[in-house]
Amino acid sequence: AQSVTQLGSHVSVSEGALVLLRCNYSSSVPPYLFWYVQYPNQGLQLLLKYTSAATLVKGINGFEAEFKKSETSFHLTKPSAHMSDAAEYFCAVTSGAGSYQLTFGKGTKLSVIP
Amino acid sequence: NAGVMQNPRHLVRRRGQEARLRCSPMKGHSHVYWYRQLPEEGLKFMVYLQKENIIDESGMPKERFSAEFPKEGPSILRIQQVVRGDSAAYFCASSSGDRPTDTQYFGPGTRLTVL
Repeated sequence: AQSVTQLGSHVSVSEGALVLLRCNYSSSVPPYLFWYVQYPNQGLQLLLKYTSAATLVKGINGFEAEFKKSETSFHLTKPSAHMSDAAEYFCAVTSGAGSYQLTFGKGTKLSVIP
Repeated sequence: NAGVMQNPRHLVRRRGQEARLRCSPMKGHSHVYWYRQLPEEGLKFMVYLQKENIIDESGMPKERFSAEFPKEGPSILRIQQVVRGDSAAYFCASSSGDRPTDTQYFGPGTRLTVL
C-alpha cells in the first residue's frame, strides 16, 4: 500500500519569499512522485514528476522538488513566490503493480501575501 | 490541441435521480481514469478504462456507480439513484500509456451537487 502525507493544509508566504510545501510518502517499492497544482474551479496541472532519474527535479513556473529516499520526502520549493502561485498543491505517488493509480495527499492551499 | 474535456462542469441532482458525467480524452489518448474529490480531501482513484474495456474498477463503489468508454464517443461515469454523499468533484484524466512515466492530464472536473 502507498500513501502521501502533506504537512500543513494551509501555507501563507509573502510575495518574493521562499515557498516550501512538504510531502512525505510511504511505499513498499520504489515510488514515482508527482506534484500537481489546482487553481480554483479548474483541473489539476502537472508541475513536475520524479521517475527514478535525477533526484532534483525541475518543473514549470520555477518550481522544483528533491527526492530524498532516506527521509521518504519529496518537498516542493520555489525561491521567490509570486501572486499567481496562489493555488492548491497536491503531492501524489504511484508504484509497483497498478502504477497508473495515483494516490494523492489532501492538498496544501498556498496563499501569497502582497 | 484541446485538452481533456468534461461536461457538464456543474450538475445538480435531487436524491434518487441519475447523474451522467462525460469525459473526452486528449487527442491520441486511449487511457482514461476517473477520480473523485470529496471536500477537503485529495483525489481518490475510481476506475481505469481503455476503449471498450474496464481495466481496473477497484476504486468504484460496489453499487450505483458504473463507467464505460465506448469505441466511439466520450467516456461516461454514471451514478444511479444519487445520494447526498455523492456530492463531490469528479475528475477525468487521460494518458497515452499506463506507465508511471506517462503523464495523466486532467480535465476541469464536474462538480456534482445532490440536493
